[in-house]
Order: sequence, then C-alpha cells, then structure tokens
Amino acid sequence: DAGITQSPRHKVTETGTPVTLRCHQTENHRYMYWYRQDPGHGLRLIHYSYGVKDTDKGEVSDGYSVSRSKTEDFLLTLESATSSQTSVYFCAISRSFGGGENTEAFFGQGTRLTVV
Amino acid sequence: DAKTTQPPSMDCAEGRAANLPCNHSTISGNEYVYWYRQIHSQGPQYIIHGLKNNETNEMASLIITEDRKSSTLILPHATLRDTAVYYCIVRVAGAGGGADGLTFGKGTHLIIQP
Repeated sequence: DAGITQSPRHKVTETGTPVTLRCHQTENHRYMYWYRQDPGHGLRLIHYSYGVKDTDKGEVSDGYSVSRSKTEDFLLTLESATSSQTSVYFCAISRSFGGGENTEAFFGQGTRLTVV
Repeated sequence: DAKTTQPPSMDCAEGRAANLPCNHSTISGNEYVYWYRQIHSQGPQYIIHGLKNNETNEMASLIITEDRKSSTLILPHATLRDTAVYYCIVRVAGAGGGADGLTFGKGTHLIIQP
C-alpha cells in the first residue's frame, strides 16, 4: 500500500469552527489531491497540488483552503465549518498527472468529518 | 475527458471470473482507460490502466476492443474480498492546466456471492 496517512480519521466539530485535515505521504510523489465523497455525488475534487507551495482549485473549492509547505504534507482547512461540509474526505497522491505512465493515483483511508 | 457507461450492479460467484464492462464510445486517441475500485468505507484503489493494448497485472486483466469504444475488466478468480464498487475512467495523456482530478462516475457495484 502507498504510504499515505490521513489525520484525524474521525472528527466531530461545531458549525463555525475552523478545521484542518492533514495528509502525509512517504512516497515523495509530486501531486497531491483532496476529494470529498458524498452519497449521490461520488468523489469530487476540492483542491490539488503540483508541488511545494503550488496549489490550484478543483470542482468544489468554496469554503476550503489548502497549503503545502513540504513535499510530504498537504493540509486542507475548512475556514468556518458548515453542516454542508459534513462528508468523507480523501487524500490522494500521484507521481505524474493525466493519462499514461506513473499517473495512477493512490488514496488514503479517508477522514469522516461531521459538522454539527 | 470522455464519459463512461457502466452497469450499476453485477453478481458473480466466488471462484469464477468477474467480467466488468465499460462503454467509452467517445474516447479519443490520446485517452487512457483506468479502473479503480472502492471497497466499503475505504479509499479508492487503483487496479489497472491501458491505452489500446490489453494489459495484465497481479490484480486483473484489461481488455480493450480494437476500436477502443469499450473495455472489460477481468478479475480471474473472484473472492468475497472483491466485492466493491468498480469505476472505469478515461484520462487524457499528459493533461496539464486546470483541475487534474479523476472524475469518478457511479461505477458498478460488484457483489461476489459465496
């Protein structure tokens, strides 16, 4: 299994509080991604990173920010959590992007976040 | 990226080969076919990918038709642990710029029966 650790694995937080989820990899892969998964919507990309300090928005980035100060860590922050952000969050990594060699993505085990 | 169509669910007997079809009739010449699966409550797991030749690895085989409009993922000897949602995805080679996320549709829920 790819060396990806997400923390925490479960969190319950109150509406309006900031929350930070961490993704840590030991594979030295360049690309890192944050997804959320909700019933009826499948996996949706929130933000991704293509290198240290290089990040970009995905499909559902509103209300989220990210940071990548080291190759191995990609942080997802909910600036002011809302109930609509209750979801399962997955981190993924890949050596390259798009289609072709070394582009397969490896996923973490997920973080279940509940905003009450 | 081209869209894919998969049956919503399939059953397969344990020990038999599971053949999961995927239709990608609008695929273009530089798009690869990828398969992932997601076992309940776990993160998606990469299985295999290919461009036009058939591919095999320790998990599965991927058969792509000559016109590339469809493909089949084959799990040669299915076990109960193969029960999962299987996603077929197509991706452009060397895509750059914009959001490079995988687009997961609804997939096929494969149920392995004992």
